[in-house]
Amino acid sequence: GAVVSQHPSRVICKSGTSVKIECRSLDFQATTMFWYRQFPKQSLMLMATSNEGSKATYEQGVEKDKFLINHASLTLSTLTVTSAHPEDSSFYICSARDTGTPGGDTQYFGPGTRLTVL
Amino acid sequence: QKEVEQDPGPLSVPEGAIVSLNCTYSNSAFQYFMWYRQYSRKGPELLMYTYSSGNKEDGRFTAQVDKSSKYISLFIRDSQPSDSATYLCAMSAGGGNKLTFGTGTQLKVEL
Repeated sequence: GAVVSQHPSRVICKSGTSVKIECRSLDFQATTMFWYRQFPKQSLMLMATSNEGSKATYEQGVEKDKFLINHASLTLSTLTVTSAHPEDSSFYICSARDTGTPGGDTQYFGPGTRLTVL
Repeated sequence: QKEVEQDPGPLSVPEGAIVSLNCTYSNSAFQYFMWYRQYSRKGPELLMYTYSSGNKEDGRFTAQVDKSSKYISLFIRDSQPSDSATYLCAMSAGGGNKLTFGTGTQLKVEL
């Protein structure tokens, strides 16, 4: 199956700093990538949809100025958590949509990034 | 009412058992159905992808879709301890629409 990588896998930072997370589709081009957040023992919560070459679409309640998304190429999307605070500590997962599948709706997920803000 | 309902479990079965995981949904626009497996602290891994009613088999896994009842299932035969994970159902209306996930079922296969 298609492979999506995510970097870093784990990051610890001080409150007030910014953290950038990269998501790459390794063996296919992804015009659309998604960013999710997951709290312990809960399902995935979609934060935003990232479209290559255009602005991201944020879900209701997600602060676009806090969670900056850039999708500059067909294989790379980045999520920057600006001025991070302890409540931003979470597991962040990206996915990439493989348009080669029927309906083009299969999403392949990265391994996730665990963010801890002290 | 949630668009997708999934029993959170936990579900505990002995090794070798047949496992049945289920989701129901209310949105008749959903056309594409997926099952993901997620190990603790890892990203979800795509197991099965279907876009029509009926059965689809892949090794020990069988996905079943009944659109008339708005009900999907994942069967795992000869379950192994390595199958212990959380299983998420997901579905979409197609055309690039975002996925709607179930809450996930936690499965534990015991020796």
